[in-house]
Amino acid sequence: DVKVTQSSRYLVKRTGEKVFLECVQDMDHENMFWYRQDPGLGLRLIYFSYDVKMKEKGDIPEGYSVSREKKERFSLILESASTNQTSMYLCASSPDLFSRSGNTIYFGEGSWLTVV
Amino acid sequence: AQTVTQSQPEMSVQEAETVTLSCTYDTSESDYYLFWYKQPPSRQMILVIRQEAYKQQNATENRFSVNFQKAAKSFSLKISDSQLGDAAMYFCAYHGGSEKLVFGKGTKLTVNP
Repeated sequence: DVKVTQSSRYLVKRTGEKVFLECVQDMDHENMFWYRQDPGLGLRLIYFSYDVKMKEKGDIPEGYSVSREKKERFSLILESASTNQTSMYLCASSPDLFSRSGNTIYFGEGSWLTVV
Repeated sequence: AQTVTQSQPEMSVQEAETVTLSCTYDTSESDYYLFWYKQPPSRQMILVIRQEAYKQQNATENRFSVNFQKAAKSFSLKISDSQLGDAAMYFCAYHGGSEKLVFGKGTKLTVNP
């Protein structure tokens, strides 16, 4: 079974702290994604990566950065956490869209971040 | 840019009845995938059904089927014989050649006994 693991399920951080959210997948997938999910707004794409050291901005990249030094790991970084970044963060991974049959997106369980 | 629109924030259905959730999308690409995902209260996203754009035949998975209208850019989900366990948030998603994965805002489905 494909596994996407998010290292922290629940975090509470103070305003101004630097926050790292880690995501690891074990299926050698090329693509990895970070979303935040808020009521009424659905899943909004923050950043995605289609290869090691490659990244693309999503729809709401402001206040976030990412790192992908190894294929299996994609980190989301909040350089200076703010209260409006309180949310649930979802990581996902997928193979290249057209490189193999049965393309499916796999999700982690989510990380609940509260910034106080 | 690709966008996905789910026009129904909430829907309800009686147990054993049929319900259809709407999804439209906008793209200039010809090859892409469309998905419906279910998110129960546990928050774990579960794949319901997947459609490849170059396949004209509508995908089906047991009680779940889609009505894929490529020219109209419409991708609705039909749930037949609804069960209490179908209650969840349902998200429509688009995955295209840019590798970007875009979601709609979701439809909250309530199943009434």
